[in-house]
Amino acid sequence: EDQVTQSPEALRLQEGESSSLNCSYTVSGLRGLFWYRQDPGKGPEFLFTLYSAGEEKEKERLKATLTKKESFLHITAPKPEDSATYLCAVRLTGGGNKLTFGTGTQLKVEL
Amino acid sequence: DGGITQSPKYLFRKEGQNVTLSCEQNLNHDAMYWYRQDPGQGLRLIYYSQIVNDFQKGDIAEGYSVSREKKESFPLTVTSAQKNPTAFYLCASSPSRDRVYEQYFGPGTRLTVT
Repeated sequence: EDQVTQSPEALRLQEGESSSLNCSYTVSGLRGLFWYRQDPGKGPEFLFTLYSAGEEKEKERLKATLTKKESFLHITAPKPEDSATYLCAVRLTGGGNKLTFGTGTQLKVEL
Repeated sequence: DGGITQSPKYLFRKEGQNVTLSCEQNLNHDAMYWYRQDPGQGLRLIYYSQIVNDFQKGDIAEGYSVSREKKESFPLTVTSAQKNPTAFYLCASSPSRDRVYEQYFGPGTRLTVT
């Protein structure tokens, strides 16, 4: 069965304390992995798309990487405004344009 | 500004009533989607549409209905047959061409049924 698992469920960091969020997938055929940021009570905001192992994308303090089994979202020197829930989703071979979402990592960055 | 709008932001209904959630996009995207989000669960796909006048059931379509009469609009009706309708509902759209499959989300509608 295709699965997307995110870890940890929740993460608390001090401002400036770098860390990584994990998204692991067991799917039959990956045709794209997507990262989103979601603030409380709002819709997810698109961050990155990764298509092939070894690919990396960066945006400000965030960097997403992809291997054959998982993706990491690295957060360098986070600030309180980076606090949010980070979601990953996969697009599968034969899945049309459907995405399968993980349950997210809730990140809180404190001063 | 291009984007996706959902209305209303908050919606309250009595059990047994049907309710329709609005979703409009001016991004000229071909595909549109409806998701439901519950605490502690990932987004679950209700219905999606890749072109006008065509739509497919997602993973949890029971108790819901949709229409796609215009490219810009994809309303979702939550019927009285939906057993647990209270949730946060998210609409999304994507270009779905030229290897661009990212989905862009609206602000959501929080539905409470009592």
